[in-house]
Amino acid sequence: DTGVSQNPRHKITKRGQNVTFRCDPISEHNRLYWYRQTLGQGPEFLTYFQNEAQLEKSRLLSDRFSAERPKGSFSTLEIQRTEQGDSAMYLCASSMGGFNSPLHFGNGTRLTVT
Amino acid sequence: QKEVEQNSGPLSVPEGAIASLNCTYSDRGSQSFFWYRQYSGKSPELIMSIYSNGDKEDGRFTAQLNKASQYVSLLIRDSQPSDSATYLCASGGGTYKYIFGTGTRLKVLA
Repeated sequence: DTGVSQNPRHKITKRGQNVTFRCDPISEHNRLYWYRQTLGQGPEFLTYFQNEAQLEKSRLLSDRFSAERPKGSFSTLEIQRTEQGDSAMYLCASSMGGFNSPLHFGNGTRLTVT
Repeated sequence: QKEVEQNSGPLSVPEGAIASLNCTYSDRGSQSFFWYRQYSGKSPELIMSIYSNGDKEDGRFTAQLNKASQYVSLLIRDSQPSDSATYLCASGGGTYKYIFGTGTRLKVLA
């Protein structure tokens, strides 16, 4: 079990640029989640996948955000035309599925939009 | 809006004391509850899971669940300065979407 891996750890970008983050879940986990966390707040749900299917997407997520999980393995989260309000920690987590399965988080990607 | 609520703190306790952290949730369909510890600038780390009414103990940590009152708590015995962190409560199980509270900041004073 190598844990959930996220890259990059930090990303600084200028407003209007596109950014892409990658998440590699724990290999035997079929569910993969993306959360966003800002200072002083709890993680906020963005979207989740079961295998390669994106089953739910938060209504808070604008059309500038898109996530994929090709072949049910790693996942990418892309933010187009970044805005300063997108600055946050983006957390990926995976689970084995089932009601009692906890989320296991990666180290996160901290995005700063200047 | 299904919510998980926590007092943001900070909760300050002296070293060696018991820290008591509380959480309420609004979705009666929630079936599982989790406590995470998060150090500043780091990602959440799972401490405890609880699914049934009652207490569950793991080392210095005890999680308590009361589904009738929609209440979850975490007790930390013999608190250490290294326990100083933000503790996140999360509910899950209803829709596979885990809902987190805003966290309670704990300070253990040496």
